[in-house]
Amino acid sequence: SYELTQSPSVSVSPGQTASITCSGDKLGDKYVCWYQQKLGQSPILVIYQDFKRPSGIPERFSGSNSGNTATLTISGTQAMDEADYYCQTWDSHTFVFGSGTRVTVV
Amino acid sequence: DVQLVESGGGLVQPGGSLRLSCAASGFNVSSNYMSWVRQAPGKGLEWVSVIYSGGSTYYADSVKGRFTISRDNSKNTLNVQMSSLRVDDTAVYYCARVVGSWYYFDNWGQGTLVTVST
Repeated sequence: SYELTQSPSVSVSPGQTASITCSGDKLGDKYVCWYQQKLGQSPILVIYQDFKRPSGIPERFSGSNSGNTATLTISGTQAMDEADYYCQTWDSHTFVFGSGTRVTVV
Repeated sequence: DVQLVESGGGLVQPGGSLRLSCAASGFNVSSNYMSWVRQAPGKGLEWVSVIYSGGSTYYADSVKGRFTISRDNSKNTLNVQMSSLRVDDTAVYYCARVVGSWYYFDNWGQGTLVTVST
């Protein structure tokens, strides 16, 4: 079965750039999306189809996907961005989530 | 506005059964792909099942043969019948709408907690 790998945690200072990676075999051949989940809340979609932002998601969130790695970048990180982030793709009628990355703003 | 509201969670003994429902508003469940995703306490997201607009259904290996996804078009609800429940099925269960053909979840419910324990 297909697997996605994320690093467990990322720390970033306010105003700096956070990069969260998601790895999988030939991931660049698939579409990747990203969800943000704050403590005690449901996930929300922040990036879809590799780099597109849903309405209402700030421009500081951006995405890319090439080769075996997809990346979610948060530019000018704010305290409100502290959350768990999950990548997700689809493979043969199966939805696959990464293990999640906790972003801490310190 | 799109809204998804889950119900039916609770405490059940191992080997027992439970039925979850998800009431949708702002769109038709029947013409969308709909899915269940769960999250065990302190753990990550795990996809459970999907039903396509055409009626095809698919399941994660961990629940195949034990869970059955369905929809009630007259009530605009998504359901999942869970049987032979195990302790490791304990999780918050989310209902989510899938953007068809692109296979991502654009709307999520608030979740309902299922606890499998003696």
